[in-house]
Order: sequence, then C-alpha cells, then structure tokens
Amino acid sequence: DAMVIQNPRYQVTQFGKPVTLSCSQTLNHNVMYWYQQKSSQAPKLLFHYYDKDFNNEADTPDNFQSRRPNTSFCFLDIRSPGLGDAAMYLCATSRVLRDSSSYEQYFGPGTRLTVT
Amino acid sequence: KQEVTQIPAALSVPEGENLVLNCSFTDSAIYNLQWFRQDPGKGLTSLLLIQSSQREQTSGRLNASLDKSSGRSTLYIAASQPGDSATYLCAVDTDKLIFGTGTRLQVFP
Repeated sequence: DAMVIQNPRYQVTQFGKPVTLSCSQTLNHNVMYWYQQKSSQAPKLLFHYYDKDFNNEADTPDNFQSRRPNTSFCFLDIRSPGLGDAAMYLCATSRVLRDSSSYEQYFGPGTRLTVT
Repeated sequence: KQEVTQIPAALSVPEGENLVLNCSFTDSAIYNLQWFRQDPGKGLTSLLLIQSSQREQTSGRLNASLDKSSGRSTLYIAASQPGDSATYLCAVDTDKLIFGTGTRLQVFP
C-alpha cells in the first residue's frame, strides 16, 4: 500500500545531542512537510519541500533543519534539542499540481521525541 | 491571521448517538478544509476534504459541510460507535494547513 512512513516511532535523545528523524513515502508526491505537535496542541508547520525547494516557516527555530535527498525521503535534524522540543513530529506529503491550488495532505504515524 | 476554533473541546456520548462537531475559521479565503482523526499517540488520518467550491462531502457515516461565508464547517457522525473515540481535527488550507486544537470524542458502550 502506498503510504508515508516515519522512523523511528519513538526517539529518546539527551539535551543538546543532535537527533535526526526520518520520513519516506511511496506515494511519489512532490511536496513533503514537517509538523511539530506538542501535547494537547494543534500541529504546527515547521517547513516543507516543494520538489527540491525548501520553504521555512518564519517562526521555525534555527535549531531545526531539514534535508530532502530525493523524492521519497525527507529528514528532520534537530541540532541541539532542548526540553521544549519534546513533541510528536509528523511528516506529511501531498501532490501539488501547478494549475491547482487545492490538494490533500497525507500524514505518517509520527515520531514521538523525548528529550532527557 | 487565520484562526481555527473547534467546539466543543471534549465530548462524551453513548453508543448509537448522532453527533456534530463544529469548526470555525476567521478568514474565508481558503482553498479547502480537511477533517482528520487522531488516535492517542498516533498520526493523523484524513477523513474528508471539502474544496472551497463545495458545500459538503460524505464518506460512510461521516458527513462534512462547509459554509465559507460564515466561516464554519461541521462534521456529522451518524450512529456513533466506541471505535469512533479519538480526537477530531479540522484544518483549513490557506497555502498551508492551519489546524484547530481538536475535539476529543469518547463514545461509550
């Protein structure tokens, strides 16, 4: 089945120790997104890739970076995790057509990050 | 600035009841509106997407309506079941998804 896959599902890291979260998709979608969702809060968009073009949200901390080496994979790097970065990180994809402004997003199961 | 509000924040109903979840947004300039389901500790599952030109969408026991002019959407769940227990999130697309904080639904036998 075509899907969005996130690894690992649970990640524990130490304060200040770099961590990388992974997302892959078999949908062949051209757009990939990373969201942060803290407990009992709405998901918040961190950044997205439109094909190879990186689009950062204005309020995303510099501590968060992303890489998209190919269509299928996208990584979220947290350079120096703080206690406030503990959250669920959700990856999503969509197929955006240039002549269309409306599209559906498909989400992965998320990675729960704990910072100790 | 687009703001999305969901009421109620939590809802507990007996099995079999029909129920309505509400979503309101402040800016009617949206491309579409999506309803998602989120189980505890899990990702989001897309339930329904309503294009800005549409007024409703149906999938099984779910029906979602959209009234752009009043900035409102409702998700109607017919004959609720314990398996429907989850948090339901609505999100409006304004070249990025803006989410509400969700309605936590519990359906008890």
